[in-house]
Order: sequence, then structure tokens, then C-alpha cells
Amino acid sequence: DAKTTQPPSMDCAEGRAANLPCNHSTISGNEYVYWYRQIHSQGPQYIIHGLKNNETNEMASLIITEDRKSSTLILPHATLRDTAVYYCIGGINQFYFGTGTSLTVIP
Amino acid sequence: DTGVSQNPRHKITKRGQNVTFRCDPISEHNRLYWYRQTLGQGPEFLTYFQNEAQLEKSRLLSDRFSAERPKGSFSTLEIQRTEQGDSAMYLCASSRVTGVGEQYFGPGTRLTVT
Repeated sequence: DAKTTQPPSMDCAEGRAANLPCNHSTISGNEYVYWYRQIHSQGPQYIIHGLKNNETNEMASLIITEDRKSSTLILPHATLRDTAVYYCIGGINQFYFGTGTSLTVIP
Repeated sequence: DTGVSQNPRHKITKRGQNVTFRCDPISEHNRLYWYRQTLGQGPEFLTYFQNEAQLEKSRLLSDRFSAERPKGSFSTLEIQRTEQGDSAMYLCASSRVTGVGEQYFGPGTRLTVT
């Protein structure tokens, strides 16, 4: 699995887009990028994944750079319930979560 | 789809005692994973199963930790001779083998060793 690097914390105003970056420069060609989030005292929740193309689902959008060395998770209209720790994982087995980015949505 | 369940949700034990946690995965999921999470850290991978086969166990923290999935359905994680450093949240997840295999997590078992 690839090593990932994320900023430890970010703030976002409620209603605005939250853009969470992740570097995964060691990712190999067949390894997906996965995003999970963990709300306090709950188990992590799968958000989205991608390989090469940008992806969108009902929760978020994932933008992957052409060289696949980094990606950005976008929450288009952040709400207070999006306050959580967000983990970016690169790999086939999805084993290594790192310390993630603690996102605080501010009213 | 009833989700991944874990029991108990909380466990308080005295140092030196053995504890066992149970995880029931989503029924059609072949893979089952165990993680440990301490305060301020992300989940730390421990081991995983595909059906009843334990495919990776080198990350189990010591020989006091063991896991089983005897019939390829539920799994148990046992910690023998608990130590205060074992206090943590123990998370279970399951996934399909096919597709991208995103993991679905249970609520966790919080262990406190006194």
C-alpha cells in the first residue's frame, strides 16, 4: 500500500466547499485511492474511491491528478455533520489509515 | 444489509485477564479485518481473513493476540494476559473480495484495562 500524507487539520465554513488534499506519490498504477471518514467515537465510514478518473457520488467528489501523485476530496456544501477525521488511503488492501485530516465545519 | 456488528461495545477488565471480542460481518462479505485504534491515531491494521483463511497476521501486536474465523462467518479476537497498554478501540470491518472491496466498519469495542 502507498504512503499518504495529509494535513493534520482544516476548517471550513458551513455551506462552503471543503477541499481536503492528499499526497500519495508512491502509489502504483493498479492501486486505488480510497477516502474514509470517522466521526467521533464511531467506526470509519467509506466515502469514495478512484483509480485514474475523477469520481462523484452522493457524498463527495474525488479529483485525482493526472500523474496520480495526489488527490483532493471535495465536500461541495459542508454541513456541521461533516465534522470528522478524513483518511486518504492508497493501495489494494486499504490497510494503512495514517492520522488523517481533522475537518471542523464552522457555523 | 444489517451492517457490521461488534460485541461487546465496551469491556472493562483487570490487567492479566483474557478478553474475547466478537465481530459479525455483513453476510455476503468474504473478507473480515481487525484494527486497533488508540486516542488521536488512525486505525492500525492487525489482521484479516478471506473466508476462514487468515491471510495476514504479521501485524498482530504480540503473541498475546489471536484471531479466528472458524466457519468463514463471524470472527473473534482474543487478547490474553491483558496489559494497560492494550486499552484501545478494537474495530472490525468487512468487504467483498470482488470489485474495489471498500470496507464497512462496525462500531467498535472499547477495551479498558485497569
